[in-house]
Amino acid sequence: GQSLEQPSEVTAVEGAIVQINCTYQTSGFYGLSWYQQHDGGAPTFLSYNGLDGLEETGRFSSFLSRSDSYGYLLLQELQMKDSASYFCAVRDLGYGQNFVFGPGTRLSVLP
Amino acid sequence: DAGITQSPRHKVTETGTPVTLRCHQTENHRYMYWYRQDPGHGLRLIHYSYGVKDTDKGEVSDGYSVSRSKTEDFLLTLESATSSQTSVYFCAIGVAGSSSYEQYFGPGTRLTVT
Repeated sequence: GQSLEQPSEVTAVEGAIVQINCTYQTSGFYGLSWYQQHDGGAPTFLSYNGLDGLEETGRFSSFLSRSDSYGYLLLQELQMKDSASYFCAVRDLGYGQNFVFGPGTRLSVLP
Repeated sequence: DAGITQSPRHKVTETGTPVTLRCHQTENHRYMYWYRQDPGHGLRLIHYSYGVKDTDKGEVSDGYSVSRSKTEDFLLTLESATSSQTSVYFCAIGVAGSSSYEQYFGPGTRLTVT
């Protein structure tokens, strides 16, 4: 079966850097995505890693190591508006190439 | 904005009644998904579609059916609603790039089954 693990909560202060880890077990890995969701809102796409390495988009970066079944989302220069839940999701070849989502990490950014 | 709308946005219904949720997209994407989200859980896939009349089951499909007779509309039906189906339902479209795969979500439907 498929399973993803993320920390349930992370707290950091404005301006800091925070890393949210994701480890996964799937039957056929195809890619790792990250989504942000504010309370009461819909998930929004942040990044996708199909290959090992770092992908950077502005203040956000995402990393993947397929050999370690591990990835992380790095948020730099934290802002209050970054307070949200962050979900990793694995695209699984053994699952119809669909995504399996992790349970989410709630990030709280303090002033 | 991926042009995805969901209706209704909120619904309260009684156990045993049928319910249909609608997802509408304006950009002609092939891939569409229905997820449910419950407190403490990530999103769980209910059904998905790779095109008109091409649908399949996801992780939590029991008690749900779908139909896609037009590219732009993906309907989710709860044949006989139960309290365990109280949840927030999200529709999504999938967009495949050369080295990426992105999903864009609708605003969600909050369903309460009493």
